[in-house]
Amino acid sequence: QVQLVQSGAEVKKPGASVEVSCKASGYTFTTYYMHWVRQAPGQGLEWMGVINPGGGGTSYAQKLQGRVTMTRDTSTSTAYMEMSSLRSEDTAVYYCARAHSGDYYFDYWGQGALVTVSS
Amino acid sequence: QSALTQPASVSGSPGQSITISCSGTSSDVGGYNYVSWFQQHPGKAPKLLIFDVSNRPSGVSNRFSGSKSGNTASLTISGLQAEDEADYYCSSYTISSALDWVFGGGTKLTVL
Repeated sequence: QVQLVQSGAEVKKPGASVEVSCKASGYTFTTYYMHWVRQAPGQGLEWMGVINPGGGGTSYAQKLQGRVTMTRDTSTSTAYMEMSSLRSEDTAVYYCARAHSGDYYFDYWGQGALVTVSS
Repeated sequence: QSALTQPASVSGSPGQSITISCSGTSSDVGGYNYVSWFQQHPGKAPKLLIFDVSNRPSGVSNRFSGSKSGNTASLTISGLQAEDEADYYCSSYTISSALDWVFGGGTKLTVL
């Protein structure tokens, strides 16, 4: 069965960086784009960006450009999201979610990883 | 401020039907048939309910249905059940230069 298993919760200080991983199983990793979506406490969902695990191409939300980097390791079917220069407003649950190439919806989501930014 | 506009809350009694709206623009909802709806229970990841405006994934109850008219999409839940109490989000592909996908702000459904 399809599973997206994310890394655990992190606590970081302002200005630091964080990397969240998302290990995929149960399907061919390179045929589904991996999106990242975050949700601040009590708030709605925010699309962050997407990586094509097949070729490595990425697209990021303009507001996060320069601070977010999405990568993947096809040998372990794992996608990564790194965010730098963290600030308190980056405190959120970060989700990975897959979408088949050519489709425009997220059919499976990871369980989420809470990132807390606090001094 | 979210790119897509949803009501903050809706409510209904068991057995009733409710509709949640999702308003966008011609750059997103109105321009493409790529509207999705998600259900999220507290502390859980979102779950796909509807894709491409009106399609249900395998395993999703036929009590959930989607539609679109112009720049507004809608999710209808019929035969409300207690377990339907959750947050609901719409999403759409967009040609905005700022991002590729947009979400609504979410709607809290209360089953009375």
